[in-house]
Amino acid sequence: ETGVTQTPRHLVMGMTNKKSLKCEQHLGHNAMYWYKQSAKKPLELMFVYNFKEQTENNSVPSRFSPECPNSSHLFLHLHTLQPEDSALYLCASSQPDSTNSPLHFGNGTRLTVT
Amino acid sequence: AQSVAQPEDQVNVAEGNPLTVKCTYSVSGNPYLFWYVQYPNRGLQFLLKYITGDNLVKGSYGFEAEFNKSQTSFHLKKPSALVSDSALYFCAVRDVDSSYKLIFGSGTRLLVRP
Repeated sequence: ETGVTQTPRHLVMGMTNKKSLKCEQHLGHNAMYWYKQSAKKPLELMFVYNFKEQTENNSVPSRFSPECPNSSHLFLHLHTLQPEDSALYLCASSQPDSTNSPLHFGNGTRLTVT
Repeated sequence: AQSVAQPEDQVNVAEGNPLTVKCTYSVSGNPYLFWYVQYPNRGLQFLLKYITGDNLVKGSYGFEAEFNKSQTSFHLKKPSALVSDSALYFCAVRDVDSSYKLIFGSGTRLLVRP
């Protein structure tokens, strides 16, 4: 177990659907992240939350909407996605006040948009 | 701007032989460097990090990495490869403008043949 749990593990959705990805961490961390991993592309940082406040939005389209109700939970709400949004979505957490702190990743949600 | 380069898309090695996965970096100031491994259908797992001190850093699963300031490199090594080491390996550097963000390389696939 990594300490970071993502659900669901797999998701297939049509372009008109609305769905949400969930991430939960029990490591006592205060920073949480969403990354997108596509085939043959570098890992893309999407959003960063630090103490529940969004501190980073890397020009992510508005069809992706993050939510961080508390330091342990992070959501990614999805609506009207495109086929090119199919990817592995990874959640991670860390202690933001330490430069030594590595990121701890969940196992990801494999998203397929049809 | 900070960056990390992994020049090899894939590294092939026979079981029992030493392995090296290459990484070079470009940062202003002192680099904080990390290696992660990703097994199929899993998230990234932290292997080791260099913050300061000895240039040879030891990590999980028998891996080590050598920090070389003059060559701006942080190559991952293992004296004797195992088939189970076959995975995707990512080098990362801490973003100096943000203590909690990592910049990842594009990844190197390691294939260890029996």
